[in-house]
Amino acid sequence: GDSVTQMEGPVTLSEEAFLTINCTYTATGYPSLFWYVQYPGEGLQLLLKATKADDKGSNKGFEATYRKETTSFHLEKGSVQVSDSAVYFCALSDRGDSNYQLIWGAGTKLIIKP
Amino acid sequence: DGGITQSPKYLFRKEGQNVTLSCEQNLNHDAMYWYRQDPGQGLRLIYYSQIVNDFQKGDIAEGYSVSREKKESFPLTVTSAQKNPTAFYLCASSIRGVGADTQYFGPGTRLTVL
Repeated sequence: GDSVTQMEGPVTLSEEAFLTINCTYTATGYPSLFWYVQYPGEGLQLLLKATKADDKGSNKGFEATYRKETTSFHLEKGSVQVSDSAVYFCALSDRGDSNYQLIWGAGTKLIIKP
Repeated sequence: DGGITQSPKYLFRKEGQNVTLSCEQNLNHDAMYWYRQDPGQGLRLIYYSQIVNDFQKGDIAEGYSVSREKKESFPLTVTSAQKNPTAFYLCASSIRGVGADTQYFGPGTRLTVL
């Protein structure tokens, strides 16, 4: 079945460092890919998404490119801030799956130190 | 402002008691979802509903029940049959329940069974 694998956390960086959080997937169809962010004690909110191969999603300085050849959707940011500390979830929705469910990665906790 | 509300934020119950978690949305979305989140894990789907008066089991429906009598409301009951109900519960909605649709999340309810 479909699955999403994220790098394990926590990832600890200093402010202004470059961020990469790896996400790879397996899917039988043509998935849409998502990154969601969860700040402490809150629900999740969509950070960015891409619906077809080679699409780049971007928001708030974060970017991720849908790479079909490597089945990846890595999240990047050029210069992180303390306020970026949160848990980041990669997810997919496979158009070949009639259940319309999102398949979630386990989440990666990001800690940014001043 | 449009959004999803969940109440209460924290809920304590004795073992063996049923408890109902509220979820209301004013986004005019057709689809609604309930997820369970345990520490250090991704989200697991409990139930989802794509239209009023219809709902489907997710991956971990045992010990839970839902209703969808109104478009705006999707309450979740955690029954005494749920063996380990202590968790963070998240409600979400999307426009149509189709794969590429963004899911919008409420702030969550943290349930603790004593």
